Amino acid sequence: DTGVSQNPRHKITKRGQNVTFRCDPISEHNRLYWYRQTLGQGPEFLTYFQNEAQLEKSRLLSDRFSAERPKGSFSTLEIQRTEQGDSAMYLCASSFGASGGLYEQYFGPGTRLTVT
Amino acid sequence: LAKTTQPISMDSYEGQEVNITCSHNNIATNDYITWYQQFPSQGPRFIIQGYKTKVTNEVASLFIPADRKSSTLSLPRVSLSDTAVYYCLVVVGSGNTGKLIFGQGTTLQVKP
Repeated sequence: DTGVSQNPRHKITKRGQNVTFRCDPISEHNRLYWYRQTLGQGPEFLTYFQNEAQLEKSRLLSDRFSAERPKGSFSTLEIQRTEQGDSAMYLCASSFGASGGLYEQYFGPGTRLTVT
Repeated sequence: LAKTTQPISMDSYEGQEVNITCSHNNIATNDYITWYQQFPSQGPRFIIQGYKTKVTNEVASLFIPADRKSSTLSLPRVSLSDTAVYYCLVVVGSGNTGKLIFGQGTTLQVKP
């Protein structure tokens, strides 16, 4: 297994455009997380899936953001009508957990979004 | 809402022991405290996690007092390759619906 992969690695878009990012987790992992990280800050939690169910959404995830994980495999994060404030690194992580609780997360390399 | 506090930066020399403390209040009572390491242009990498008292693995130790309002990551005999940003991660809430809160990170600079 090659770990968590994210595509694209870099995305430059104009303000007002929609963008979609993809995350492919480690195959046996049932949990998937999305974070946003800006320069000099720690990752900020956005949302969390257990299998295909989206169990938690941060208030940071405005109506312009939506995430899906069809069939409990890969996940997509879409940002509609992008704003310059959306410029950040978007990180995906996955883990395996049989019950509630925090488990070791494996992070992907991230997708760097620049909104011009 | 839980808030975490870490020193923004620390300097050390090769071969020294480094201790980084994260203060956290109102965290979930039944979840792990976890520490991650991050290099530039990479995602964070898991170092260690614990619930209480002391945990040790091949790269670090983690000390958590009984009140769980702080945790201290201990890196023995650091090398230049340990230069990175270190984050604590805690959970607010409980079970499957807890929110995950990263600290703001401590930039460790190891000098020769």
